[in-house]
Amino acid sequence: GDSVTQMEGPVTLSEEAFLTINCTYTATGYPSLFWYVQYPGEGLQLLLKATKADDKGSNKGFEATYRKETTSFHLEKGSVQVSDSAVYFCALIYNQGGKLIFGQGTELSVKP
Amino acid sequence: NAGVTQTPKFHILKIGQSMTLQCTQDMNHNYMYWYRQDPGMGLKLIYYSVGAGITDKGEVPNGYNVSRSTTEDFPLRLELAAPSQTSVYFCASRQYEAFFGQGTRLTVV
Repeated sequence: GDSVTQMEGPVTLSEEAFLTINCTYTATGYPSLFWYVQYPGEGLQLLLKATKADDKGSNKGFEATYRKETTSFHLEKGSVQVSDSAVYFCALIYNQGGKLIFGQGTELSVKP
Repeated sequence: NAGVTQTPKFHILKIGQSMTLQCTQDMNHNYMYWYRQDPGMGLKLIYYSVGAGITDKGEVPNGYNVSRSTTEDFPLRLELAAPSQTSVYFCASRQYEAFFGQGTRLTVV
């Protein structure tokens, strides 16, 4: 079946460090891939998306590339800020049908 | 547009009581979902709907019921509340990417 696996958290970084959060997926079809962010006490917000292989999603300095050959969608940011502290969720969505599958979430803590 | 609206934001329920968590979306989305999120954990799918009149179980449906009589509304019913249902509940809707409500923080005591 379909599934999404993220790296274990929490991830603790110093401000301006490079961030990578790994996400791999198993899919029976051709899904779109998403990263969502959840700030403390809030719901999930869409961070970026990619709809097909080799697409790169980007937003607010974050990037992720849809890699079909490695079934991955790793989230990266060149220089994190304290305000990036949140929980990040990788997700897989099929355009047709109801499947919406999330990874377990990775908590990021950025220290000044 | 308001997006996805959940009510109430907070609620304390006694063991054995029942209540309905409300979820409304104004984006004319076909798909709607209910998740629960326990402290420090990811999202667990309770129920989902692919359109008005059609619902299906997710991973953790026991103790919950849903209905979808209109495109806009997808209420979640808790019957005979138990302490294990203490959680934060999120409703989401999508046509393509998903939009989430702000959550309902429910405590069962």
